[in-house]
Amino acid sequence: GAVVSQHPSRVICKSGTSVKIECRSLDFQATTMFWYRQFPKQSLMLMATSNEGSKATYEQGVEKDKFLINHASLTLSTLTVTSAHPEDSSFYICSARDDGTPYEQYFGPGTRLTVT
Amino acid sequence: GENVEQHPSTLSVQEGDSAVIKCTYSDSASNYFPWYKQELGKGPQLIIDIRSNVGEKKDQRIAVTLNKTAKHFSLHITETQPEDSAVYFCAASKKSGNQFYFGTGTSLTVIP
Repeated sequence: GAVVSQHPSRVICKSGTSVKIECRSLDFQATTMFWYRQFPKQSLMLMATSNEGSKATYEQGVEKDKFLINHASLTLSTLTVTSAHPEDSSFYICSARDDGTPYEQYFGPGTRLTVT
Repeated sequence: GENVEQHPSTLSVQEGDSAVIKCTYSDSASNYFPWYKQELGKGPQLIIDIRSNVGEKKDQRIAVTLNKTAKHFSLHITETQPEDSAVYFCAASKKSGNQFYFGTGTSLTVIP
């Protein structure tokens, strides 16, 4: 149980285009999901907290107009990187908090984004 | 806000030896402390967690200890195996916010 999927696992896009990353909780409901960015050999940096049915909460320094988050159902959150630039290239990871437990978060396998 | 520090940043042990990774946190209101294992190119996987109402938890070769007074917690891996090689992250959170504050990670290498 407690499986979180992400799609795609890898994506290459050209500068100026947009790319959407999906995060799904497969066997539990998740009112709250989180989006992280991870640079090589570094820790996870929280970008935003996604809440089903309401606006996402962005961390300081994260551009909400560039990283659009939509949490349309209890099992799906999407992150859209708009007008992508090479500096947006990174490993993006989502996590989902199981509504049935008060603490645990389960992570997806990550999405490697490369902007050329 | 919460500040989580993790040591060491790298750790090499011989197969069969034990490995210990330590974390400290700053916010006394934090009450949940998970440990994640991340293999190259993959997302973090929860391996063990502990809540503030207990001092120790064990699951086969993995154990976590918590000292609330000193605000530190540790991961212990016994009888290490090469497949234990990965990056390990500690984290701290409060139920109310549920945001996780991660340590900086420990790259563990188990030498066959």
